[in-house]
Amino acid sequence: DIQMTQSPSTLSASVGDRVTITCRASQSISSWLAWYQQKPGKAPKLLIYKASSLESGVPSRFSGSGSGTEFTLTISSLQPDDFATYYCQQYNSYSSLTFGGGTKVEIK
Amino acid sequence: EVQLVESGGGLVKPGGSLRLSCAASGFTFSSYSMNWVRQAPGKGLEWVSSISSSSSYIYYADSVKGRFTISRDNAKNSLYLQMNSLRAEDTAVYYCARSRYGDYDFDYWGQGTLVTVSS
Repeated sequence: DIQMTQSPSTLSASVGDRVTITCRASQSISSWLAWYQQKPGKAPKLLIYKASSLESGVPSRFSGSGSGTEFTLTISSLQPDDFATYYCQQYNSYSSLTFGGGTKVEIK
Repeated sequence: EVQLVESGGGLVKPGGSLRLSCAASGFTFSSYSMNWVRQAPGKGLEWVSSISSSSSYIYYADSVKGRFTISRDNAKNSLYLQMNSLRAEDTAVYYCARSRYGDYDFDYWGQGTLVTVSS
């Protein structure tokens, strides 16, 4: 199985900060990576697919980059609504899909 | 509007069974692969199972293989998860999620249904 490792696990930031979350795959997954945002008690929401494609309706302050084994999710200017937990997911191996462990973005 | 509504969760004893359902609306259900993803209390997301649009391809996580069965009824726009031989570690919120057309990221999710396995 492909393992996905996110860092950091927790991130403290202020409104207006630029925030970067990293996701590493245990083997190459090309660009088959998605990013999700989850708020407490709610279902995850798709933000980015195919590593860098912005899902419809998602604010442009969110962006994704990377390919192969290293990927990043960047929030260009953190907004109050962005405090949440973020997960990456690989879908290169579609018979065994895997998520990263999550990154909680907290208020500094 | 795409809607996915799960039902069937509840409290079950270890070794017991439960069947989850997901009612889909707002899209052509028979054209999309569907999935179950779970989240144990305070933990991260774990993919459980996927089924292709015509049920030709079915995949399971190793943690549930041989115990859980995914199925769908395209005439009823419904997805199911039959869970047998339940264990305490199966306690989680179970989400139904739609795969993006032709891919395996998840573009729509239900609100989830809680399954608690405890004596």
